[in-house]
Amino acid sequence: DAKTTQPTSMDCAEGRAANLPCNHSTISGNEYVYWYRQIHSQGPQYIIHGLKNNETNEMASLIITEDRKSSTLILPHATLRDTAVYYCIVRAEGEYSGAGSYQLTFGKGTKLSVIP
Amino acid sequence: GAGVSQSPRYKVAKRGQDVALRCDPISGHVSLFWYQQALGQGPEFLTYFQNEAQLDKSGLPSDRFFAERPEGSVSTLKIQRTQQEDSAVYLCASSLDEGLGYNNSPLHFGNGTRLTVT
Repeated sequence: DAKTTQPTSMDCAEGRAANLPCNHSTISGNEYVYWYRQIHSQGPQYIIHGLKNNETNEMASLIITEDRKSSTLILPHATLRDTAVYYCIVRAEGEYSGAGSYQLTFGKGTKLSVIP
Repeated sequence: GAGVSQSPRYKVAKRGQDVALRCDPISGHVSLFWYQQALGQGPEFLTYFQNEAQLDKSGLPSDRFFAERPEGSVSTLKIQRTQQEDSAVYLCASSLDEGLGYNNSPLHFGNGTRLTVT
């Protein structure tokens, strides 16, 4: 079972910031928060990940609450090409510890529609 | 390009046929994963390789599914006696994971092979 909860869908006006929330209330101390997106007919694309500090790269910013039970992915200026399903995933980092320990477990994600 | 490459992009098989799906990971990546994605669903884990060793095959749905990575680079997912329920997109991903046995890198996915069993 996915360990995260996301809204099923969201709309965002083109040019505005898209803020995608994710709840991960059972996150463990060694688990990172990863964000991927999947555009139709393509494989999932890595966006960003973080442990407890906020992170920013050329694609997005990741804001993680102090208690680490939730996070928000921010696309600062959404474009039509950002329309996709966005997945929030928690994943442990460390030595391989048996079946299931390295994989990403995808939930249903949030379908983001950017509206012109 | 330097991304994960999968072939063929599309495959149509008659029920009962065997198929082989190829994955070329990013050069130097230690870890390789296969996922299955049914229409309208998120990807589901099938199997994991660390170099040539298949460490986790807990997601393979039946013994008709077999994966290999003999030289620690290219991988093949084989499905024997295909059934209609095998119709899905099969995704391959690789990650660098510097420091053997230590998971610390994002997965990078290919665009998948869409398998249709008729």
